Amino acid sequence: DAKTTQPPSMDCAEGRAANLPCNHSTISGNEYVYWYRQIHSQGPQYIIHGLKNNETNEMASLIITEDRKSSTLILPHATLRDTAVYYCIAAPVASGSRLTFGEGTQLTVNP
Amino acid sequence: DSGVTQTPKHLITATGQRVTLRCSPRSGDLSVYWYQQSLDQGLQFLIQYYNGEERAKGNILERFSAQQFPDLHSELNLSSLELGDSALYFCASSVVGSAGGYTFGSGTRLTVV
Repeated sequence: DAKTTQPPSMDCAEGRAANLPCNHSTISGNEYVYWYRQIHSQGPQYIIHGLKNNETNEMASLIITEDRKSSTLILPHATLRDTAVYYCIAAPVASGSRLTFGEGTQLTVNP
Repeated sequence: DSGVTQTPKHLITATGQRVTLRCSPRSGDLSVYWYQQSLDQGLQFLIQYYNGEERAKGNILERFSAQQFPDLHSELNLSSLELGDSALYFCASSVVGSAGGYTFGSGTRLTVV
């Protein structure tokens, strides 16, 4: 799996958009970008994934650069409950491959 | 409720003992993954099963073993427990062949005293 690099921590004001960057410069053509988050010792929660097009769901938007070397997860209106560690993972297309978690980004949403 | 059920939620045991952690995957998911999360380490992949067969192995100690049964539930067996085995143990499941996300359970917190 391609290595991903994320900032260790970020802060965001409640109600504002949180933009979490991820660098995956060695990503290969068969690897999706996945985002998960973990809220204080709970099980990691799937957020969104994408291959090369931008994606949006009820939780977030994922913007992937044209060269696929980086991506940004956007939480459009962050709330206090979005405070968590966010993990960006590059993994092969076929589900069934293990996910390798890095250190992630600790996002703190402040009131 | 994620659909992945892990039992027990908490377990306290003594060094040298053996415990079994159980995971029931989400309905329809054939693949099960086990992860360990210690305080000083991130989420570490241990082992994966697919439809009863071991598919991938990570940093799993020889004292640990797992299996997946015909009804697709999985058990992680930890033996000769040491203080350093204290951790959160998570199970996840997925549908192989789909690029969709993996679903994690709420974990078992193991404390070895």
